Amino acid sequence: ETGVTQTPRHLVMGMTNKKSLKCEQHLGHNAMYWYKQSAKKPLELMFVYNFKEQTENNSVPSRFSPECPNSSHLFLHLHTLQPEDSALYLCASSQDLGGVNNEQFFGPGTRLTVL
Amino acid sequence: AQTVTQSQPEMSVQEAETVTLSCTYDTSENNYYLFWYKQPPSRQMILVIRQEAYKQQNATENRFSVNFQKAAKSFSLKISDSQLGDTAMYFCAFGTSGSRLTFGEGTQLTVNP
Repeated sequence: ETGVTQTPRHLVMGMTNKKSLKCEQHLGHNAMYWYKQSAKKPLELMFVYNFKEQTENNSVPSRFSPECPNSSHLFLHLHTLQPEDSALYLCASSQDLGGVNNEQFFGPGTRLTVL
Repeated sequence: AQTVTQSQPEMSVQEAETVTLSCTYDTSENNYYLFWYKQPPSRQMILVIRQEAYKQQNATENRFSVNFQKAAKSFSLKISDSQLGDTAMYFCAFGTSGSRLTFGEGTQLTVNP
């Protein structure tokens, strides 16, 4: 595997389910990100991790719970979601948080549908 | 806080023609980096081109080039000889040495046959 991978690619869940999204980067990067992309809306940054530590949480509801066990893996745990949470969830990574190496590499995304 | 503005939500162009996508940003920093990303329909977001603010020369990548106007805080993307595969959402992004990227709202470009 190369680059940034995300699983599953598609997920349908009910509002009472608990599920997790997984992101893995094979680039040796130190920073990882979760974005939400809804139809006809801009990218919404959700969480930022740098060296496994969360550096940003953009007022994301607690029904979204991120986890970063190491610099290569990032999870997004989902529980009690609402239909408006249906969206494409993108994971990205970058070598560092800033500087010349702050180009972000994106995964293919998980298309989430909440029924 | 830095902001990035893409004032054209949608654009269209005929195949083989040239199109320019606009991006402006607001910052008090002097050293920063600018990027254009492309997100084709149902496909992965990829980097198209990048520009370091300290470089006066505009970046080019094959049919893609930028017009970087530092004083005006403008960073437009020109696509020459447009191809059907250029149909995508295009995002402008801004970053500095101490912070992660800030993205614009995106421009949906459609290339018509």
